[in-house]
Amino acid sequence: DGGITQSPKYLFRKEGQNVTLSCEQNLNHDAMYWYRQDPGQGLRLIYYSQIVNDFQKGDIAEGYSVSREKKESFPLTVTSAQKNPTAFYLCASTQQGGGTEAFFGQGTRLTVV
Amino acid sequence: KQEVTQIPAALSVPEGENLVLNCSFTDSAIYNLQWFRQDPGKGLTSLLLIQSSQREQTSGRLNASLDKSSGRSTLYIAASQPGDSATYLCAVDYTGTASKLTFGTGTRLQVTL
Repeated sequence: DGGITQSPKYLFRKEGQNVTLSCEQNLNHDAMYWYRQDPGQGLRLIYYSQIVNDFQKGDIAEGYSVSREKKESFPLTVTSAQKNPTAFYLCASTQQGGGTEAFFGQGTRLTVV
Repeated sequence: KQEVTQIPAALSVPEGENLVLNCSFTDSAIYNLQWFRQDPGKGLTSLLLIQSSQREQTSGRLNASLDKSSGRSTLYIAASQPGDSATYLCAVDYTGTASKLTFGTGTRLQVTL
């Protein structure tokens, strides 16, 4: 079945540690996105990539980094510079171009311990 | 600033009732609007995508309408069931390129027996 796979489902980070969240899609979509979800707030865009080897900052990129070396993969690293990383992280993808449907993974819940 | 608002934040209805969820957006120059369902601790599931040129879309018991001039979309759920209990999110694509979405904060729906 085509879809988006995020791993791990749960992740715990110690203070000062970098962690990487995985996102893989087999939908052959060109564009991929990372959103952060906090209670009582709408999803906020962290980074997005429209094509391999290119990505742009979203609304809340500080303390995060990404790479897009393969079309199907868009990993997100939460660095120690992110002061409040505890949240639910969602990866999404769309076909290139406007008017296309967005598909989401099942999310990764990151907790600072 | 382009914003998306969903009111009410929570709604409880008895099983079998027809209901309407509301989504308002501040800028009428949209490319499309998408409705999602989110179960607790899960990712987003796409329900309906309405292009800017369309007035409504239907899927089973769900019907979504779009009125760009008034900046509103509604999601109509017919004959509600306990399995419909979830949070419903609307998202607007203002860019028309890689579908960077602006999300509302959602309406949490509970359908009671």
